[in-house]
Amino acid sequence: KNEVEQSPQNLTAQEGEFITINCSYSVGISALHWLQQHPGGGIVSLFMLSSGKKKHGRLIATINIQEKHSSLHITASHPRDSAVYICAVTGNQFYFGTGTSLTVIP
Amino acid sequence: NAGVTQTPKFQVLKTGQSMTLQCAQDMNHEYMSWYRQDPGMGLRLIHYSVGAGITDQGEVPNGYNVSRSTTEDFPLRLLSAAPSQTSVYFCASVSGNTIYFGEGSWLTVV
Repeated sequence: KNEVEQSPQNLTAQEGEFITINCSYSVGISALHWLQQHPGGGIVSLFMLSSGKKKHGRLIATINIQEKHSSLHITASHPRDSAVYICAVTGNQFYFGTGTSLTVIP
Repeated sequence: NAGVTQTPKFQVLKTGQSMTLQCAQDMNHEYMSWYRQDPGMGLRLIHYSVGAGITDQGEVPNGYNVSRSTTEDFPLRLLSAAPSQTSVYFCASVSGNTIYFGEGSWLTVV
């Protein structure tokens, strides 16, 4: 059973491209999180949102509560954006997606 | 604030050995948890605690023990290490809807 599904699993992009990572969930939630994990590194929180849209620099996160879907967009992608992006939701506990591995090629 | 501090960062164990992964947080969070991260499987909850003196099992608790004698510390014990416990372990604490992760512990059991 996967309460949180992400797509794609792997993504390779050229520097400068617009990137979208999708997340669907099947449980009732109070919040959705987008997390970033660099190779060999820890996990940091990028966004927490419960409705609408949030923007931080070149990153934009949206959520549609009715459709139980969220997207993470990266505009003007850069090699330093290469990382694993994890979608997580807060229901009666935290549920995590399996992550999207992003590689941005110069 | 140091946030969530995990030690050690890397460890190699022989099958059957025991060890403790340490986790401490200085944010006075009541909720703490341990996850393991394996390729293609995402983060899976091992044990969690909602406060000092209270612990409970998560999705994959077998082979692991925890205790919570103080709000700050939440150690994870491997009782008799097995190769299947080779993984990356993350400690986390939660305040409201925000989760804070430690840096991770890479454990190899040979």
